[in-house]
Amino acid sequence: AQSVTQPDIHITVSEGASLELRCNYSYGATPYLFWYVQSPGQGLQLLLKYFSGDTLVQGIKGFEAEFKRSQSSFNLRKPSVHWSDAAEYFCAVETSGGSYIPTFGRGTSLIVHP
Amino acid sequence: GAGVSQSPSNKVTEKGKDVELRCDPISGHTALYWYRQSLGQGLEFLIYFQGNSAPDKSGLPSDRFSAERTGGSVSTLTIQRTQQEDSAVYLCASSPRGREQYFGPGTRLTVT
Repeated sequence: AQSVTQPDIHITVSEGASLELRCNYSYGATPYLFWYVQSPGQGLQLLLKYFSGDTLVQGIKGFEAEFKRSQSSFNLRKPSVHWSDAAEYFCAVETSGGSYIPTFGRGTSLIVHP
Repeated sequence: GAGVSQSPSNKVTEKGKDVELRCDPISGHTALYWYRQSLGQGLEFLIYFQGNSAPDKSGLPSDRFSAERTGGSVSTLTIQRTQQEDSAVYLCASSPRGREQYFGPGTRLTVT
């Protein structure tokens, strides 16, 4: 079965600084990969996804992520963080074998200092 | 267009009571998921509906939990004889075909 690791429980950055949130997965083949964001008291919102093709994917709100097969990683990045980006970020992995049930990481809480 | 809606937004119940949580998916989405999110935890998959196929119930934690989806649209998650450990946020998501999911705001369940 696949697994997802988000090594950082909390990340603190200053507004305007760059951001990278880590996600590593364990799965034999190339999975489908997702990043979701959850603001306090809200459901999750899809930021971006990777299915195939270009390994650098662009998402909403200025986020991007890069799939690195050799490292089994799908890290989320943003060049300049805004205070409104403070939220919980979840990486999710779904097998390409057709299960349609993703496995979510435990999340990384992003704190933004003014 | 309208997103996924869930009701109630908050539910407080006494231990041992039954509760029903409702999810209205995005119109036309064939896939529907239920998850449980406990404080500081990730998402725990509960059940998955896809069209008219039999649901995947592999994530339901006990036989006190059940869910149905009527007419391929609205879904109800039922928890019988609630326990304090059932306290959590229950999230519903729908998808046009599986893969990317669109989440509702959740129902916060508190069992006293």
